[in-house]
Amino acid sequence: QVQLVESGGGVVQPGGSLRLSCAASGFTFSSYGMHWVRQAPGKGLEWVAFIRYDGSNKYYADSVKGRFTISRDNSKNTLYLQMNSLRAEDTAVYYCAKGRLGYCSGGSCYVFDYWGQGTLVTVSS
Amino acid sequence: EIVMTQSPATLSVSPGERATLSCRASQSVSSNLAWYQQKPGQAPRLLIYGASTRATGIPARFSGSGSGTEFTLTISSLQSEDFAVYYCQQYNNWPTTFGQGTKVEIK
Repeated sequence: QVQLVESGGGVVQPGGSLRLSCAASGFTFSSYGMHWVRQAPGKGLEWVAFIRYDGSNKYYADSVKGRFTISRDNSKNTLYLQMNSLRAEDTAVYYCAKGRLGYCSGGSCYVFDYWGQGTLVTVSS
Repeated sequence: EIVMTQSPATLSVSPGERATLSCRASQSVSSNLAWYQQKPGQAPRLLIYGASTRATGIPARFSGSGSGTEFTLTISSLQSEDFAVYYCQQYNNWPTTFGQGTKVEIK
């Protein structure tokens, strides 16, 4: 069965950095685009970043562009999110999510059929 | 950016009754609309995509309809495990955006 397990969350000061990981199993990781989606405490869902199955293209929400970097290691079945210049408004549970379609294009890449349990990132002094 | 507006914010329903949740897009998203269910402390779960196609393993009591700017999620007979927050999401235009959620609570 599909499993996504995030790690790397914690408390960091404003301006600091953190690297999240998402270990994937139960599917052919190298065939699917992957996403990060976040949820601030008590709030709704916000898409953060997407990486294509082969890492060839990456897309970011305007709110994190230039500060966050999504990457993947298909040999390790692992997705990453490097977060720099963190702000208080980045405080959230960060979920990794699998795209429903392999080798997708356009909007079809943005349906999330499996999610990890999430890891909490708190940005506070 | 397309704004997704869900109504009502909270829906109080008795077990066994029907629940109807609405989602409106600020411009047409064709049928590129998904619904997710989220229970407290859990990750979201995909229910519906393509406005009306149930995801794998989703019970038939969940159904989606609509196209363009108006969409509906219907739960035909609420079970105890269905009390949760439901989010709609458009993926027709970049960036993908979510509604603010509808909480379905026990009446």
